[in-house]
Amino acid sequence: KQEVTQIPAALSVPEGENLVLNCSFTDSAIYNLQWFRQDPGKGLTSLLLIQSSQREQTSGRLNASLDKSSGRSTLYIAASQPGDSATYLCHLVVSPSGTYKYIFGTGTRLKVLA
Amino acid sequence: DGGITQSPKYLFRKEGQNVTMSCEQNLNHDAMYWYRQDPGQGLRLIYYSQIVNDFQKGDIAEGYSVSREKKESFPLTVTSAQKNPTAFYLCASSIFGDTEAFFGQGTRLTVV
Repeated sequence: KQEVTQIPAALSVPEGENLVLNCSFTDSAIYNLQWFRQDPGKGLTSLLLIQSSQREQTSGRLNASLDKSSGRSTLYIAASQPGDSATYLCHLVVSPSGTYKYIFGTGTRLKVLA
Repeated sequence: DGGITQSPKYLFRKEGQNVTMSCEQNLNHDAMYWYRQDPGQGLRLIYYSQIVNDFQKGDIAEGYSVSREKKESFPLTVTSAQKNPTAFYLCASSIFGDTEAFFGQGTRLTVV
């Protein structure tokens, strides 16, 4: 069974720090991996999508990488700001037996202090 | 504006009652999804639909029902068989089953 773990579960840092959030998965047969942020009581905002054939994607201060062989994706946040405070979730689309399965990671709760 | 609209934002259910929440998208996406979010448990898939008039159970389908009669609409009914329905419900859509997903703002269901 595919398991998706995010480390750390919670993180509190001063403004301006560069951050690395980790997403680990057990099965490398993925279609894509997507990073989201969720503000309290709100829906999910898509940050970056990495297709199975890609190694990384960048958007502004965000960079996400994918290493299928090691079962790991990292989300890099440069020069963190208080507005980055949110829960960050990774999401995998896999197809272990011909049908799609959709799996969310456990999440990292980030707080950036001004 | 293109997007996904969930309604209502807050929903209350009495014991033994069925309730339905709406999910509408104008993105022309074929695939739509329903997730449930509980504090400390993350998001879990309830049902998904790859195409009109077809849907599949997710990991926690018991006590829920869906329909997909129109491409843009994927309503979720929480039946009386769902014994612990209090949660935050999120709807999503994507062009196809393996492409980028977009989410609505959620419906918070509370049992009164």
